[in-house]
Amino acid sequence: SAVISQKPSRDICQRGTSLTIQCQVDSQVTMMFWYRQQPGQSLTLIATANQGSEATYESGFVIDKFPISRPNLTFSTLTVSNMSPEDSSIYLCSVETSRSSYNEQFFGPGTRLTVL
Amino acid sequence: GENVEQHPSTLSVQEGDSAVIKCTYSDSASNYFPWYKQELGKRPQLIIDIRSNVGEKKDQRIAVTLNKTAKHFSLHITETQPEDSAVYFCAASNSWGKLQFGAGTQVVVTP
Repeated sequence: SAVISQKPSRDICQRGTSLTIQCQVDSQVTMMFWYRQQPGQSLTLIATANQGSEATYESGFVIDKFPISRPNLTFSTLTVSNMSPEDSSIYLCSVETSRSSYNEQFFGPGTRLTVL
Repeated sequence: GENVEQHPSTLSVQEGDSAVIKCTYSDSASNYFPWYKQELGKRPQLIIDIRSNVGEKKDQRIAVTLNKTAKHFSLHITETQPEDSAVYFCAASNSWGKLQFGAGTQVVVTP
């Protein structure tokens, strides 16, 4: 499977600031997704990162709060804007490597965000 | 949209016994059902999956069954070992690739 890295691995931020999380894959992938996992909870899909076009957001998530970029087939960023303590969570990217084995998703190591 | 329910939320088993986790889904269009294992502080790892054209799939000590009519699927772990202790998540997806996760099951295997 693809090797997926995320930067930063963790960060502590002040409320009102923004943080950009990077997701890098070592090979071209068809689909990239961003998830949030709040402490002790399940994973919730934030959005699908579309290459060369605007991301597709799930209900409850908006572009102004979570702008996403995907400039190519190996890289995506998620920004958490105007942060509040409620944004403290683990943010994970996932990738689907091939439409031939569709839907198999592999996760990055996650970014642990704490907002004070 | 899809809704996935997962039971139980916690499961304690003696080493060597079997563990079963059950999930139900709501969207009849869902056709892919993966299971992830997440150890503390680690990323979710895909351990097994099943597609809607298959009723059962096995990989060594783990197996998954799917009942499309009843819209439920289950994970079976046999001969449990301490390293099986983790949180397990079921998920459901349609062809668009978006995974809807269950709430998770904390499995504790005691020696």
